[in-house]
Amino acid sequence: EAQVTQNPRYLITVTGKKLTVTCSQNMNHEYMSWYRQDPGLGLRQIYYSMNVEVTDKGDVPEGYKVSRKEKRNFPLILESPSPNQTSLYFCASSPYHPRGADTQYFGPGTRLTVL
Amino acid sequence: TQLLEQSPQFLSIQEGENLTVYCNSSSVFSSLQWYRQEPGEGPVLLVTVVTGGEVKKLKRLTFQFGDARKDSSLHITAAQPGDTGLYLCAGAPGNQFYFGTGTSLTVIP
Repeated sequence: EAQVTQNPRYLITVTGKKLTVTCSQNMNHEYMSWYRQDPGLGLRQIYYSMNVEVTDKGDVPEGYKVSRKEKRNFPLILESPSPNQTSLYFCASSPYHPRGADTQYFGPGTRLTVL
Repeated sequence: TQLLEQSPQFLSIQEGENLTVYCNSSSVFSSLQWYRQEPGEGPVLLVTVVTGGEVKKLKRLTFQFGDARKDSSLHITAAQPGDTGLYLCAGAPGNQFYFGTGTSLTVIP
């Protein structure tokens, strides 16, 4: 089944404790992206990757890191999480950049709480 | 200030009524997408509009892309409870991808 998977689905952590949220897609997509969704602010792009080893900042990259060492995986790293990073996170992938009208497929989301 | 502004933000209507959701921007987009999101799930693409003035129909949903490619609308005819959800427009004027502020629709049986 074609899908985007994220782990963990739920995470409660404390300020400053490094964490990684994994994202994997099995559709051989070139483009992958991370978003966060907050009440009143909607979905905002954190980082995106056009291809392996090519990543770039989205609208809200501060406090996050990503890597794209292989096509299928795009982990999101919070090296020193803070309470303002409490949010619902979505990973997405598409064949190419969705600006070209490609469909983005979203993972199920990761609900992160930073105490 | 959001790049893509949607209106209304909330909409509660009776089953069978018609409604229109608007998505506006000051930027030009090569394409705009409409997504629907259920609580606790990721957005799912409904349609992509590409050409200025384009109209696309998906059963009871009609999507229009403005002539100047800065705005779009979603019209639902004879809304049903199954249409309940968060509707999002989205697009990329450059390399970054933006979502609209969202319209939360509730259709009451």
